[in-house]
Amino acid sequence: QITLKESGPTLVRPTQTLTLTCTFSGFSLTTGSGLGVGWIRQPPGKALEWLAVVFWDDDKRFSPSLKNRVTITLDTPKTQVVFTMTDVDPVDTATYYCARRMAMGPFDLWGQGTMVAVSS
Amino acid sequence: DIQLTQSPSSVSASVGDRVTITCRASQGINKWLAWYQQKPGRAPKLLIYAASSLQLGVPSRFSGSGSGTEFTLTISSLQPEDFASYYCQQANSFPLTFGGGTKVDIK
Repeated sequence: QITLKESGPTLVRPTQTLTLTCTFSGFSLTTGSGLGVGWIRQPPGKALEWLAVVFWDDDKRFSPSLKNRVTITLDTPKTQVVFTMTDVDPVDTATYYCARRMAMGPFDLWGQGTMVAVSS
Repeated sequence: DIQLTQSPSSVSASVGDRVTITCRASQGINKWLAWYQQKPGRAPKLLIYAASSLQLGVPSRFSGSGSGTEFTLTISSLQPEDFASYYCQQANSFPLTFGGGTKVDIK
């Protein structure tokens, strides 16, 4: 069974750094698989927004609108992906999802999401 | 960045109706478009990938078509469990982008 699960704080103060962890099982980012794990967020009542993705070969891509604020790390032994966002603002309040990205494809499996509020 | 414009933004329909949602890309994306369904409080669920390929386990009443810049998602006979929001997403190039969503609700 393939699962992904997000974990992290539910409340972050403005200007602080948000760190979220995606723990996955049932698949691995093996050499040549083409698979990746990405992060997508959704502010309350709004559309989905892609944030970042890391691939099996540690290639990383970021949303240009957040590029200077975010990092994504694939932890050895490649069962966790850590996402960090610096200098958060109330507009970063959203449900954050991690998801598996198929090779040259969509996000086929998603975690349940974790709601993060940015507030003083 | 490739912009995706979905229309309509909302549609009211009845059980048994045929529903079509359109997604237009600001530039050509070949066939690299996916469709997701999202119910309130739940994560998105992949329905269609590569414009017309049905994800395993998704009912055949869902279908996708199109290439280049114009794509459609069709629900041939709307079922009670299909009332939800639907999003398109392009996988052709980075940055990955999503459409603004279409909410399908009960007439």
